[in-house]
Amino acid sequence: AQTVTQSQPEMSVQEAETVTLSCTYDTSENNYYLFWYKQPPSRQMILVIRQEAYKQQNATENRFSVNFQKAAKSFSLKISDSQLGDTAMYFCAFIPWDQGAQKLVFGQGTRLTINP
Amino acid sequence: NAGVTQTPKFQVLKTGQSMTLQCAQDMNHNSMYWYRQDPGMGLRLIYYSASEGTTDKGEVPNGYNVSRLNKREFSLRLESAAPSQTSVYFCASSAINGGLSGANVLTFGAGSRLTVL
Repeated sequence: AQTVTQSQPEMSVQEAETVTLSCTYDTSENNYYLFWYKQPPSRQMILVIRQEAYKQQNATENRFSVNFQKAAKSFSLKISDSQLGDTAMYFCAFIPWDQGAQKLVFGQGTRLTINP
Repeated sequence: NAGVTQTPKFQVLKTGQSMTLQCAQDMNHNSMYWYRQDPGMGLRLIYYSASEGTTDKGEVPNGYNVSRLNKREFSLRLESAAPSQTSVYFCASSAINGGLSGANVLTFGAGSRLTVL
């Protein structure tokens, strides 16, 4: 069974700093998707970024980028120039490429606080 | 651009009462899902519907039933609520179910906070 582990329950940084959230996963699959979801205080789950395992290039979305290390089964999220609106729970998630979203596995989440 | 709409947003029940959480999506998605979110445990899948007319159990189905009313709507029913069902419930949808495609990505509703006393 696949597992996703986020080892940092909480993190806190000052506005404009760069922060990296860690995620590791365990799978025997070779092809899969990885995701980072953001959940602000409004509770809405918002997709931040996704990475296809067959792509060597790390995904980037504006201030958000990932460091995907397939051999190490690591998928960290870097937030550059952090903003107050980045304060949220962040969930890492994994799904095998040929499975439906019912196989999506979430980590326990990291609560990120951006301080003014 | 409503996306996925859940009702109600908040509900308080007494043990043994029943209720239905409603979910509707306007994106013409084929697949819909119900999750629960508990502190420190991430999201866990309760039931899902890969396509209209089908439903299947997820990781934590006990105490729940679902109905895929049509392509747009997927409801979650608690027949006899228990305090252990106090949680935040999320409905989600995806264009397809399976495959290496962006269409497999979930879109979530805003969540429903349920408290069972």
